Amino acid sequence: LAKTTQPISMDSYEGQEVNITCSHNNIATNDYITWYQQFPSQGPRFIIQGYKTKVTNEVASLFIPADRKSSTLSLPRVSLSDTAVYYCLVVPIYNQGGKLIFGQGTELSVKP
Amino acid sequence: EADIYQTPRYLVIGTGKKITLECSQTMGHDKMYWYQQDPGMELHLIHYSYGVNSTEKGDLSSESTVSRIRTEHFPLTLESARPSHTSQYLCASISREGGSEKLFFGSGTQLSVL
Repeated sequence: LAKTTQPISMDSYEGQEVNITCSHNNIATNDYITWYQQFPSQGPRFIIQGYKTKVTNEVASLFIPADRKSSTLSLPRVSLSDTAVYYCLVVPIYNQGGKLIFGQGTELSVKP
Repeated sequence: EADIYQTPRYLVIGTGKKITLECSQTMGHDKMYWYQQDPGMELHLIHYSYGVNSTEKGDLSSESTVSRIRTEHFPLTLESARPSHTSQYLCASISREGGSEKLFFGSGTQLSVL
């Protein structure tokens, strides 16, 4: 599985756009990128997933450049409730290996 | 959304007791996972299963054991609990759409061993 690197922590203020970048230099052709959000004392929750270019849903956008060696999760106009840990995972399509390993994630703190 | 349930939500128990943490899902997912997480720390994969009668150890060595006799049920057992087992245990199952997979987590069991 491709190794991912994210900033350990980020600070932001309410109403700002937050961009969290994940590096995955050894991503393979059949890998896709998934982001999860975790609040304290809860399990992670799926946010968004993509393979290339841009994906947008009601919660976030995911930008993936042509070389796919990084990806950026964009949270528009964050609020205090977006304070959480955000994880980037790179997983093969039709993951036969079974394992899904989380890195240390990015702890986002949104201030008033 | 997948429905995945963990019980108990909280468990405080004495050293040496045998405990079983329950995890059930109603979506018919084949792959299920157990993660262990201490406060403010990473999630560590301790067990996973491809389906009935399939169990594998994860990356973090654990004294716990798991079983998968039914698709919907993936319990985790500690034969003799110790204070070092104090942690949050999170169960998850995978939804597959096309080739991509999404993890759905339960609410977790916070275990405290005295």
